[in-house]
Amino acid sequence: DTEVTQTPKHLVMGMTNKKSLKCEQHMGHRAMYWYKQKAKKPPELMFVYSYEKLSINESVPSRFSPECPNSSLLNLHLHALQPEDSALYLCASSQDPGSRVEQYFGPGTRLLVL
Amino acid sequence: QKEVEQNSGPLSVPEGAIASLNCTYSDRGSQSFFWYRQYSGKSPELIMSIYSNGDKEDGRFTAQLNKASQYVSLLIRDSQPSDSATYLCAVRKGGSEKLVFGKGTKLTVNP
Repeated sequence: DTEVTQTPKHLVMGMTNKKSLKCEQHMGHRAMYWYKQKAKKPPELMFVYSYEKLSINESVPSRFSPECPNSSLLNLHLHALQPEDSALYLCASSQDPGSRVEQYFGPGTRLLVL
Repeated sequence: QKEVEQNSGPLSVPEGAIASLNCTYSDRGSQSFFWYRQYSGKSPELIMSIYSNGDKEDGRFTAQLNKASQYVSLLIRDSQPSDSATYLCAVRKGGSEKLVFGKGTKLTVNP
């Protein structure tokens, strides 16, 4: 079973709203990732959590705030977003942060910022 | 030079033909190579991983890796219309947690 779940599937928010995206996996994976994907572009890495600690922040604006409450759960808190932040937000997980491990994606949250 | 390059396509093949997708990478320290399939409006799905030089087969899919040439490919035999999707090549450097994606190749299999 390689299932990563994400909620909500779709989200529409105004620029002054605060919302959160949720990602969950029950595969015992110890590395979790947030990606952003714009139309007709490849996924762009935002954050990496390894063993529940933030290990990579790809210079993401502070209006995106990740959180890893436990090894199965990953949140992305959103505040004061801009219309250009509209995209598909993908969560992924892997067994560990090592290089020879496979990364599995969740179905994504499609975000529209008005 | 881009870190991971793919022919942007689109690539169009008839049903039953072999589709060949290519990817080159710039960092010789790269150790892990992956192919993802992404249907329109969906998330990427891992279809192949390869770590050593040579071929790796899984059903109709064969991944080929040549580290000396810094080249990885994906062959899809007996292509089906359901294979129509964008194929993303992804590469990971040794010791890095970061997966670098190519821009993807859009494949269309015509019935």
